[in-house]
Amino acid sequence: DIQMTQSPSFLSASVGDRVTINCKASQNINKYLNWYQQKLGEAPKLLIYNTNNLQTGIPSRFSGSGSGTDYTLTISSLQPEDVATYFCLQHSSRPWTFGGGTKLELK
Amino acid sequence: EVQLVETGGGLVQPGKSLKLTCATSGFTFSNAWMHWVRQSPEKQLEWVAQIKAKSNNYATYYAESVKGRFTISRDDSKSSVYLQMNSLKEEDTAIYYCTRSSDYWGQGVMVTVSS
Repeated sequence: DIQMTQSPSFLSASVGDRVTINCKASQNINKYLNWYQQKLGEAPKLLIYNTNNLQTGIPSRFSGSGSGTDYTLTISSLQPEDVATYFCLQHSSRPWTFGGGTKLELK
Repeated sequence: EVQLVETGGGLVQPGKSLKLTCATSGFTFSNAWMHWVRQSPEKQLEWVAQIKAKSNNYATYYAESVKGRFTISRDDSKSSVYLQMNSLKEEDTAIYYCTRSSDYWGQGVMVTVSS
């Protein structure tokens, strides 16, 4: 199975800050990497698919990058409504595997 | 509007069975590859099972942790996907989500396995 190591597990930032979250795969996943936002009590919501494609309706302050084994989610200017837990998912091969999550809070 | 609604969760004793249903609307279900994913009380997400479309002979795949105990199935006439869970263990306790190829997710249903 492909292991996904997500960092940091916890992040505290201020409104307007640039925030980056990372996922490292144990092997090349060929850009088959999605990013999700999960708010308390809700289902995960797709933000970015296949590394750098913004899902319809998602604000442009969210972006993704990466290749090979290393991937990054960037929030260019943190907003209060971005407080949530963020997960990465590799769907390059079965079984799909998820990162451990990054809990993002406001400073 | 795409919608996925899971039902069938609850409290069940170890060794017992439960069947989850995911009813969908707003897209062409018969062409979709559907998955079940679960989230443990510790918030870790785990892929559980996949079923492909009729054009792929309804091929199914399972996580090792549930293989031989869980069965994924679908009814294209009802735009629904199912997860039959047998021989349940305490470690199967989780919120179970159905998802269409990782883009749209349901709200999830809680399954608690406890004596």
